[in-house]
Amino acid sequence: EVQLVESGGGLVKPGGSLRLSCAASGFTFSNAWMNWVRQTPGKGLEWVGRIRSKTGGGTTEYAAPVKGRFAISRDDSKNTLYLQMNSLKTEDTAMYYCYRAGGNWGQGTLVTVSS
Amino acid sequence: DIQMTQSPSFLSASVGDRVTITCRASQDISSYLAWYQQKPGKVPKLLIYAASTLRSGVPSRFSGSGSGTDFTLTISSLQPEDVATYYCQKYDSAPLTFGGGTKVAIK
Repeated sequence: EVQLVESGGGLVKPGGSLRLSCAASGFTFSNAWMNWVRQTPGKGLEWVGRIRSKTGGGTTEYAAPVKGRFAISRDDSKNTLYLQMNSLKTEDTAMYYCYRAGGNWGQGTLVTVSS
Repeated sequence: DIQMTQSPSFLSASVGDRVTITCRASQDISSYLAWYQQKPGKVPKLLIYAASTLRSGVPSRFSGSGSGTDFTLTISSLQPEDVATYYCQKYDSAPLTFGGGTKVAIK
């Protein structure tokens, strides 16, 4: 069974940093293109960024609002995806989901940026 | 960047009705279009990919069509369990933009 489990969310002050993790199981993680998406309470879905598999180049792409502040990485030996979030703003407050291209999503982890 | 525009943003229909949701891309995205269903308090669920391919396990009352810039998601006979918000998403190239969502309610 495919499972994606996010962790690392919490309350952080504006300007602070946070690293989210997404632990994967039930599929060959190293072959997967992985994404992060966020959703503000009561609002729509916003794609944050993605990382290709190593065989796909291992490159990353980001949405404009987070480019230069967020960084996606992966550790295929640990079957884990990461989202390093720096220079956080109040508008980054959201539920953050990881998902695998092909349809499997995690349950999300909540990030609150507030003073 | 390519924009994805969904319409309507809200619709209310009766059980058994045929429901159609539209998604329009600002540029040609071929068939790189997915549809998601998000029930209240739940994680989004992939329904359709490649514009018209039904994901395994999704009820056959859901169907997708279109290519290029205009796409539709159709529910052939609306059921109470279909109450949800539906999103389209382009995935031809980054950014993988979502549409604004269509909230479907039962009349």
